[in-house]
Amino acid sequence: SYVLTQPPSVSVAPGKTARITCGGNNIGSKSVHWYQQKPGQAPVLVVYDDSDRPSGIPERFSGSNSGNTATLTISRVEAGDEADYYCQVWDSSSDPSYVFGTGTKVTVL
Amino acid sequence: EVQLVESGGGLVKPGGSLRLSCAASGFTFSSYSMNWVRQAPGKGLEWVSSISSSSSYIYYADSVKGRFTISRDNAKNSLYLQMNSLRAEDTAVYYCARVGGGGNKNWFDPWGQGTLVTVSS
Repeated sequence: SYVLTQPPSVSVAPGKTARITCGGNNIGSKSVHWYQQKPGQAPVLVVYDDSDRPSGIPERFSGSNSGNTATLTISRVEAGDEADYYCQVWDSSSDPSYVFGTGTKVTVL
Repeated sequence: EVQLVESGGGLVKPGGSLRLSCAASGFTFSSYSMNWVRQAPGKGLEWVSSISSSSSYIYYADSVKGRFTISRDNAKNSLYLQMNSLRAEDTAVYYCARVGGGGNKNWFDPWGQGTLVTVSS
């Protein structure tokens, strides 16, 4: 089955840039989506199809995807960005399934 | 406003059964694939099951295959998850989520608030 690997944690100072990676075999050939989850809340989609933003999501959130790594970038980080972030793909193999990354805790210093 | 509201969670003994429901509103339910995703306490997200708009395509994670059954009633704008032979490791918050995109570009948006299932003796 397809595996997505994320760093367990990323720390960033307010106003700086946070980059969260999502590694997978030839992930650049897939469409990658990103979710933000704050404690006690349901996940929220922040980036879809590698780099598109749903309405209401700040431009500070951006995504890229190439080779074996997809990246979620949060620019000008704010205290309210502190949360868990998950990447996700659709694996259309012989046994189709949705796959989530292991998750990354973003801490704002 | 698009809304998904789960219900049916609770405490159940190992080997027992439970049926979760997800009530959808604010969109044409019959036009969208739907999913169940779960999150064990302190753990990450785990996809559980998916059903297409007309129930033609149904998929399960290996961890629940043969024990869980996903279904939907488009007339009632409702999604269901029948969970049998429950195990302690099924303890989690269960979310229902609508699928966006299409083809090989499938994402989850929005999500419900979740319902907690606890499997314990």
